[in-house]
Amino acid sequence: DTAVSQTPKYLVTQMGNDKSIKCEQNLGHDTMYWYKQDSKKFLKIMFSYNNKELIINETVPNRFSPKSPDKAHLNLHINSLELGDSAVYFCASRPWTSGIRGTQYFGPGTRLLVL
Amino acid sequence: QQPVQSPQAVILREGEDAVINCSSSKALYSVHWYRQKHGEAPVFLMILLKGGEQKGHDKISASFNEKKQQSSLYLTASQLSYSGTYFCGTEKGGGADGLTFGKGTHLIIQP
Repeated sequence: DTAVSQTPKYLVTQMGNDKSIKCEQNLGHDTMYWYKQDSKKFLKIMFSYNNKELIINETVPNRFSPKSPDKAHLNLHINSLELGDSAVYFCASRPWTSGIRGTQYFGPGTRLLVL
Repeated sequence: QQPVQSPQAVILREGEDAVINCSSSKALYSVHWYRQKHGEAPVFLMILLKGGEQKGHDKISASFNEKKQQSSLYLTASQLSYSGTYFCGTEKGGGADGLTFGKGTHLIIQP
């Protein structure tokens, strides 16, 4: 059983397009994240979403927007894609109950290439 | 603030030991260690909470010195499967704002 899943696995698109990446977790976790890993393998937090509270990394352009239809899903929508958005995007989830923080698990990643 | 990992890269022979360090300039609530192989997602190894604890799993163990804001990952009698990039992720406390990762340590195990 896949714990954290992402679709699509690969995404190739043209500059200026709008695209979405979907993430689902079946672990019952209440906190989900989006991370970006660039070509130098630097892994950076973009968003965290906990009980409908969104925390945004201030360096993330507002072209990126997370959307959470329910506790098990956190999708990432990207407007007006730029060449520099090419990266691997990882979704992650973690239990966060009554202040007790558990292990964070990553999804398999979505490899985005903007042409 | 991004934690600093050292060394950046290390090459070992199978069976040798390795130590990877992670240090922060800020007070930490916890340190998380992950291993990532090429083309794959980071895989969780262990989490250490403030209190100076030490953990171990098989031949991989880690320590967390809360006062020095440092953590070390110890790989003993390394196996070929240990090859990959090791990341430490830190959190300061407070809200659920995710982990801040170091730049990674690239470990190559040669037969």
